Order: sequence, then structure tokens, then C-alpha cells
Amino acid sequence: KQEVTQIPAALSVPEGENLVLNCSFTDSAIYNLQWFRQDPGKGLTSLLLIQSSQREQTSGRLNASLDKSSGRSTLYIAASQPGDSATYLCAVRFLGSSNTGKLIFGQGTTLQVKP
Amino acid sequence: GAVVSQHPSWVICKSGTSVKIECRSLDFQATTMFWYRQFPKQSLMLMATSNEGSKATYEQGVEKDKFLINHASLTLSTLTVTSAHPEDSSFYICSAGWGGMNTEAFFGQGTRLTVV
Repeated sequence: KQEVTQIPAALSVPEGENLVLNCSFTDSAIYNLQWFRQDPGKGLTSLLLIQSSQREQTSGRLNASLDKSSGRSTLYIAASQPGDSATYLCAVRFLGSSNTGKLIFGQGTTLQVKP
Repeated sequence: GAVVSQHPSWVICKSGTSVKIECRSLDFQATTMFWYRQFPKQSLMLMATSNEGSKATYEQGVEKDKFLINHASLTLSTLTVTSAHPEDSSFYICSAGWGGMNTEAFFGQGTRLTVV
């Protein structure tokens, strides 16, 4: 079964810290992996998309890595700010004849950055 | 990035009534859109894949007759919750991408449905 897991479920850090969010997936046969941010009661904002052939992607203070063989991705947030407080979701688009392009989501990590 | 607009952002309805939620791709055409459901403090679960001009593909356990999906054009998909019950109260969110499997997925703002 194709599954995505995120650890930890919640994380609280003081402002300014660098932090890492983890995502693991059960099947290495993937098209790509996407990281999203979700604020309470809101939709999803796409942060980074990593194709299966890529090792990492960067956008500002965010860096996402992908190790397909081990089924892992990390989202690194540098110099965290209170505005980074949100739930971060990892989603994988798996290969397979039955896949219509849908994303399988992890449970999310809720981040709180304290001033 | 591409823009996906969802309407309404919230709705309250009485038990037994039907509610329609719209998902529009504003600046691109989407042959495929996806409908997800999210319960409080939980992740997104795919309900169905909406295909332009053909029937939707539903995930296992999702009632086709209860959650009607129509994808009549390349920029609009609708989800109708029929005969709504309190247990249907949830956050519904759609997504679309402008290209194939390797392109980014964009999400609407979501719709908070409360059935009383």
C-alpha cells in the first residue's frame, strides 16, 4: 500500500532556529513529491515540488531534499519566524497504472514558532 | 503559480438538503481535477478524480450517489453533496494542475461545510 508518513506531528521552536520536517513514503516509484503549507481553516499553498530525478529544491529560506531510494524527504526551514507557524504537508504522486495523478498526503506537521 | 478558485468558502445547510461546491481553474485549463476531504486535525483524503467530459473516478468507500461530481468544462468542476447529514460536515478542497504528472498541483481555498 502506498502511504506517506510525517514525523513529528507537532513541533514548537523559538524564533530564529533552523528546523527540519520529515516525510517518508513506502514506495520509491514516484513521479514527484510536493510540500505544502496550510494555515488554519485555509487551503493549501504549494511550497516546493521535487521531481523523482531531483535531489533537492530551494525557495528562499526553504530547502527540500529527496532520497527516493530510502523513501524520504526533508523540508529544512532556516531562521524560522513566527509567520512560519502553520501545518506543513508532504504529498507524493506515486507511479502506477491506476494513478490518475492524485496526491497521497502525510498527516502533516504542525509548526509553532514562538517569538 | 496557477490559480484555483473554490466557492463558497463556507456554507451552513440543513439536514436533507443538497449543497453544490464549485472549483474553477482561473488561468489555465484542467482536464483533471481532484476533490479531497479533510476532517479536523487530520490530513487530506482523496474522494474522487474529476475528468472533463466523462464520469468521475471515486475512491473506495466514497458514495457516488451522495457526492455527485460534474466536470462540464476545462475550467469548472462541481461537487454536490446530496441529502446532507451532520456527518458530512467537513472541509472540502479541490485541486488541479495545468499539465501532466510532473507538474505542480494547485489547491483551492477550501469549503467549510456545516450541516445542522
